[in-house]
Amino acid sequence: LAKTTQPISMDSYEGQEVNITCSHNNIATNDYITWYQQFPSQGPRFIIQGYKTKVTNEVASLFIPADRKSSTLSLPRVSLSDTAVYYCLVGPIMDTGRRALTFGSGTRLQVQP
Amino acid sequence: GAGVSQSPSNKVTEKGKDVELRCDPISGHTALYWYRQSLGQGLEFLIYFQGNSAPDKSGLPSDRFSAERTGGSVSTLTIQRTQQEDSAVYLCASSLDGLAANQPQHFGDGTRLSIL
Repeated sequence: LAKTTQPISMDSYEGQEVNITCSHNNIATNDYITWYQQFPSQGPRFIIQGYKTKVTNEVASLFIPADRKSSTLSLPRVSLSDTAVYYCLVGPIMDTGRRALTFGSGTRLQVQP
Repeated sequence: GAGVSQSPSNKVTEKGKDVELRCDPISGHTALYWYRQSLGQGLEFLIYFQGNSAPDKSGLPSDRFSAERTGGSVSTLTIQRTQQEDSAVYLCASSLDGLAANQPQHFGDGTRLSIL
């Protein structure tokens, strides 16, 4: 099981860049790295996904080193609305074995004015 | 709507009663997942469906929990003889193709279950 480790919480200010790192030392060859954002009373929302190197979309960037044992979600110029819990998920969506899909405890990001 | 729909949004019931939670996935999504989230905690995987089959039931916490999916669409999670520790938010997600490693999951907003 590809267990993930993230900081429990982070604080930032509006306009700053925020980087959240996730450790996944036992990532498997066919695992992808996916990040989700969750607001209170809502289900998680997909942010970005990657396999290696760097991925960028309209809301975030994902940096993955060559050994893939960690990944960093980068949020440019955060605003108050980015206050949420961010989850890192590692694994294939479908596994022919009995491995379960496990989200970690997530990182609670608090953005201050 | 185009997203994953769950009903009811809130359910309060007495200990010992049975409850049914419903999930309508995004049309065309073949994979469906159920998770449980306790207050302030991460998501706990319960069960996964590919079509109407459930190849991975490893997360169901006890035999009081069961789930089914019919017509490759709607799914129902049933909890029998509910206990207070079953109180949580139950989240459903779907993805286009569960057999593809890079398909992200799309979540509903959950059913908040409270056992008195």
